[in-house]
Amino acid sequence: QVLLVESGGGVVQPGKSLRLSCAASGFTFSGSAMHWVRQAPGKGLEWVAVISYDGNHTYYSDSVKGRFTISRDDSKNTLYLQVSSLRPEDTAVYYCAKDPARAAAVYFFDNWGQGTLVSVSS
Amino acid sequence: EIVMTQSPATLSVSPGERATLSCRASQSVSSNLVWYQKKRGQAPRLLIYGASTRATGIPARFSGSGSGTEFTLTISNLQSEDFAVYYCQQYHSWATFGQGTMVEI
Repeated sequence: QVLLVESGGGVVQPGKSLRLSCAASGFTFSGSAMHWVRQAPGKGLEWVAVISYDGNHTYYSDSVKGRFTISRDDSKNTLYLQVSSLRPEDTAVYYCAKDPARAAAVYFFDNWGQGTLVSVSS
Repeated sequence: EIVMTQSPATLSVSPGERATLSCRASQSVSSNLVWYQKKRGQAPRLLIYGASTRATGIPARFSGSGSGTEFTLTISNLQSEDFAVYYCQQYHSWATFGQGTMVEI
């Protein structure tokens, strides 16, 4: 079955960086667009970024554009999110999520990981 | 940005009863709407896509309806495992979520 396992979260000071990872298994990773979605404490879900199945296209929410970078390594079946210039409002659980479409992303999520917590605090 | 508004924020129901959750979009999203179930400490679970199609393995007591700007998730014969937070999300234009409805006992 599909398994997505995030890692790399932690406590970090404002302005610093982290790299989040998501190890994927149980499906053809190279054939799927992948997303990051986050949930701040006590808040709702917020879509963060998407990368196309071939890695050629990436898109970001306005709240993270220019600070976060999504990437993938199909040889390792791993999705990444480089989070930089972190702000306290970036504190959240970050989920990787699989897009159900085989080609162009449809922007909903049929499988999710358990999430990794990023806490931005001085 | 398309804003999704869910109501009520909290719904108190008893096991065996029916729960009706609403989701409204600030502009038409056609049928490009999904519902997720989320329990504390767990990943969200896709329930419904295309406004009314149950995802794989989702029990028939979950049903979705609506199109355009008004959507409903109905949970019939509520089971103990159904008490959770439910989110709607539109995928007509990027992805935006409602703020969630907590279904509590």
